[in-house]
Amino acid sequence: DAGITQSPRHKVTETGTPVTLRCHQTENHRYMYWYRQDPGHGLRLIHYSYGVKDTDKGEVSDGYSVSRSKTEDFLLTLESATSSQTSVYFCAISESNVGGDEQFFGPGTRLTVL
Amino acid sequence: DQQVKQNSPSLSVQEGRISILNCDYTNSMFDYFLWYKKYPAEGPTFLISISSIKDKNEDGRFTVFLNKSAKHLSLHIVPSQPGDSAVYFCAAISNAGKSTFGDGTTLTVKP
Repeated sequence: DAGITQSPRHKVTETGTPVTLRCHQTENHRYMYWYRQDPGHGLRLIHYSYGVKDTDKGEVSDGYSVSRSKTEDFLLTLESATSSQTSVYFCAISESNVGGDEQFFGPGTRLTVL
Repeated sequence: DQQVKQNSPSLSVQEGRISILNCDYTNSMFDYFLWYKKYPAEGPTFLISISSIKDKNEDGRFTVFLNKSAKHLSLHIVPSQPGDSAVYFCAAISNAGKSTFGDGTTLTVKP
């Protein structure tokens, strides 16, 4: 199994509070991604990173920011959480983003915003 | 507009029979297609992929077929086993390297 961990695994928070989710990898992969998955929906890309300090937006980036100061860590921040951000968040990594390279996913973080 | 669609939310098959999961896409510029499998409370795991220049790729019990003219791909699992019960996601990769996922199909294999 690829070495990817996510913390916390579960979090309950209140509307308006800041939340930071952490993704940590031990594979030294260049690319890291944050997705959210909602019931009946597939994975939707929030942000991704193609190197230290290099990030770009995905299809559902509003309300989220990311940072990558080290190869192994990719942080997702909700500056002011809203109930619509209640979801399961998955981090993924890949060696490259071309040639059909597979992504390796973490176990997920279940976030509930009350 | 959803670019990758899995029109069947669920599929139930008997153990030993064939499972066929379908995926349709709209963007003819997708380079690769991947299938992922997801068990409850776990992250998705890669299953099999196919390049847009191929029409078939096989790996053990799993075969993916690509019909570019119809913009359709399918995953065949033969024979199906109870351990195959999971949610299956189809993903399409653009030439810019971005992944677009379908909504998933829940497969139940009955013993």
